[in-house]
Amino acid sequence: RKEVEQDPGPFNVPEGATVAFNCTYSNSASQSFFWYRQDCRKEPKLLMSVYSSGNEDGRFTAQLNRASQYISLLIRDSKLSDSATYLCVVNGDYKLSFGAGTTVTVRA
Amino acid sequence: DGGITQSPKYLFRKEGQNVTLSCEQNLNHDAMYWYRQDPGQGLRLIYYSQIVNDFQKGDIAEGYSVSREKKESFPLTVTSAQKNPTAFYLCASSILEGTGELFFGEGSRLTVL
Repeated sequence: RKEVEQDPGPFNVPEGATVAFNCTYSNSASQSFFWYRQDCRKEPKLLMSVYSSGNEDGRFTAQLNRASQYISLLIRDSKLSDSATYLCVVNGDYKLSFGAGTTVTVRA
Repeated sequence: DGGITQSPKYLFRKEGQNVTLSCEQNLNHDAMYWYRQDPGQGLRLIYYSQIVNDFQKGDIAEGYSVSREKKESFPLTVTSAQKNPTAFYLCASSILEGTGELFFGEGSRLTVL
């Protein structure tokens, strides 16, 4: 079983729509969680950390469900510029594990 | 501007050749990492270093070597022993080893002909 699993998508949504997707992790002792954004053929960049109580950063909302071992990312009012691959990253025992990414395409 | 510089951006090599990918950072970060990214897979850790003159193997170190002679520099050599070297290689750094905030270079795309 992979340490971090994501639905690869793609999620094709119109501008202004809401899109949400999850990431599951296998290590119940995982301590911290992150979402990274990666544009096509570019390097990943940190989008946001995920806190236990859930957190928002503008149009982005991240949630953590420790009982079911998943984190989620919700994007409201999607923009064309949100088109990217979103990588889930889990830190367990000081080792970072990366998901393969979920691709989101926002269309005009 | 502070950041991480990787070079070359694109590299072609023949089978049996060693190649070295450069990674330089001016962020004053102690920890540096090399990852490999293949289509449909998450980033996989090749090597990491927490301090000068010290480094540890990651999950897929076979066929690779590194050095950390300076804090700013962490070059990766892809040797001829690496059976499937064609990939996108990403260098990253962080303030502390094991934290989740990594700063990545723009990557080096290696193609073996």
